Amino acid sequence: QQQVKQSPQSLIVQKGGISIINCAYENTAFDYFPWYQQFPGKGPALLIAIRPDVSEKKEGRFTISFNKSAKQFSLHIMDSQPGDSATYFCAAGMNSGYSTLTFGKGTMLLVSP
Amino acid sequence: GAVVSQHPSWVICKSGTSVKIECRSLDFQATTMFWYRQFPKQSLMLMATSNEGSKATYEQGVEKDKFLINHASLTLSTLTVTSAHPEDSSFYICSARDPLRGSSGYTFGSGTRLTVV
Repeated sequence: QQQVKQSPQSLIVQKGGISIINCAYENTAFDYFPWYQQFPGKGPALLIAIRPDVSEKKEGRFTISFNKSAKQFSLHIMDSQPGDSATYFCAAGMNSGYSTLTFGKGTMLLVSP
Repeated sequence: GAVVSQHPSWVICKSGTSVKIECRSLDFQATTMFWYRQFPKQSLMLMATSNEGSKATYEQGVEKDKFLINHASLTLSTLTVTSAHPEDSSFYICSARDPLRGSSGYTFGSGTRLTVV
């Protein structure tokens, strides 16, 4: 089944704290797992992505942890800032034909000052 | 990096008129483009997949005659909302896929806010 489950639906974190968003997938054919950040009125922007051959990828304050056996991956935002307040979507994709990305339902993150 | 330009960023139209939204890949050739609709506080809902030179593939429940998609070149896809009604008001987002980048080759446009009055 082409489904990606994302949690939590919303998240409030204090400035300087760690934001954690989790996703789980079912289709083992997925080979690409990106996270997108979306601000109101804007299109989603690629934040960070990982492939299943690594368990972790870090870019600045953003880290993806990937558990292939559990079919789960998560986004960690370290030292969260008010400017990080946005909606975050996990997604999964595969390198086959004309398939698109499968998105999670999104997490609204609010970082309080 | 890959850039996708979506135009216009917002449009207001009268009920019954048609609106065209353009999606251009600026620095790569996109054999496949995707059109999404997004309601407030919801995820992206795939409307259709557009392949250059062929008919678009629509998702179940999406009216083909209302949402006309044309992908006449490797860098341009258009979505025309025909006979628009207030319930068509939404945020529309396109995405283009660079076939040379495999599964990571998706780039999104900045979206179009359509308001039908």
